[in-house]
Amino acid sequence: DGGITQSPKYLFRKEGQNVTLSCEQNLNHDAMYWYRQDPGQGLRLIYYSQIVNDFQKGDIAEGYSVSREKKESFPLTVTSAQKNPTAFYLCASSTAGGWEAFFGQGTRLTVV
Amino acid sequence: RKEVEQDPGPFNVPEGATVAFNCTYSNSASQSFFWYRQDCRKEPKLLMSVYSSGNEDGRFTAQLNRASQYISLLIRDSKLSDSATYLCVVNPGKGNTGKLIFGQGTTLQVKP
Repeated sequence: DGGITQSPKYLFRKEGQNVTLSCEQNLNHDAMYWYRQDPGQGLRLIYYSQIVNDFQKGDIAEGYSVSREKKESFPLTVTSAQKNPTAFYLCASSTAGGWEAFFGQGTRLTVV
Repeated sequence: RKEVEQDPGPFNVPEGATVAFNCTYSNSASQSFFWYRQDCRKEPKLLMSVYSSGNEDGRFTAQLNRASQYISLLIRDSKLSDSATYLCVVNPGKGNTGKLIFGQGTTLQVKP
């Protein structure tokens, strides 16, 4: 079945550690996105990528990094520079025109 | 001013009621518009796209008013299963920027 897969579903991080969230899609979509959602809040765009080897910062990119070495994959690294990383992270993909976005099931990151 | 704004609610309505949500967007060049539904602790899923002529899908009707820069979603004959958060989504770009901007969401609670 085609879809978008995020892993892990739950992730615990110690302060000062970097962690990487995985996002893989087999929908042959050109565009991929990372969003952050805090309790009771909407989605805020962290990074997005239109094509392989290219990506742009969203509204809250500080403390995060991404790569897009393959069309299918868009991993997000939450670095120690991100001061408040506890949140629900959602990866999405869409066709190049930015039409319907399909989401993964999300990763809940908690700093312990 | 936020790029996409919604009344967060919550909207508490009895079963069978008709409820309407509005959403305003700031970029007059925005190209495409959507309503997504998000259940508690789940990923958002596309409910419907919004076309200039308005569109209907069963009990759901979406309208776009470009002159006033707002989008609406009307739900008729509300069901308990309609309880969720409804996200207004805008692609603000010209051409293929593919960047999707989410509103903060409107929470709907349908009561027996």
